[in-house]
Amino acid sequence: GQQLNQSPQSMFIQEGEDVSMNCTSSSIFNTWLWYKQDPGEGPVLLIALYKAGELTSNGRLTAQFGITRKDSFLNISASIPSDVGIYFCAGLALNFGNEKLTFGTGTRLTIIP
Amino acid sequence: EAQVTQNPRYLITVTGKKLTVTCSQNMNHEYMSWYRQDPGLGLRQIYYSMNVEVTDKGDVPEGYKVSRKEKRNFPLILESPSPNQTSLYFCASSLWFSGGVYNEQFFGPGTRLTVL
Repeated sequence: GQQLNQSPQSMFIQEGEDVSMNCTSSSIFNTWLWYKQDPGEGPVLLIALYKAGELTSNGRLTAQFGITRKDSFLNISASIPSDVGIYFCAGLALNFGNEKLTFGTGTRLTIIP
Repeated sequence: EAQVTQNPRYLITVTGKKLTVTCSQNMNHEYMSWYRQDPGLGLRQIYYSMNVEVTDKGDVPEGYKVSRKEKRNFPLILESPSPNQTSLYFCASSLWFSGGVYNEQFFGPGTRLTVL
């Protein structure tokens, strides 16, 4: 099955810094999603993007659906300790009956005290 | 509280010993799915179910079975586990796809399986 290339794999930042990560695919997706996974938990949806070029915010998080429909970006501004975790992008290809999510490889965010 | 539950949360077993990981959701969702998460590979879909008695393979179905006899439950069965099935497993559920807008998939807390 297809996988999405997500970068960077890991980030070590100081509290208050801004964060950027991105996801690229060889195929087009109808919808791009960004999930966050806290330690010991399942992924939780942060942002959903439905149209090419769309820019959507959720608090300090901003995500964009790339114009080509083959990429997406997530920015976190002024990071805080609770931002620690693994961030996954996911693309949704709507095959009737199966809302099949293709996940990226994840970006592990660590905040250095 | 609306949730997806999985049991057990942790399991260590030996090669060839059949096991079942249960998944249950209380949101009356039609769609349910199993994923495995491995380092550097993200989450990959194993099987999914669109409704009761309707299941189909995802990207990595080999070595797994599922059943959907009731709407709320979607157990994952490993008939003869092998070490390459050591992984973190997630169950997810959502409403049926209604076209146009993504129906959020809600994930369970995960089951960490080790096969020796």
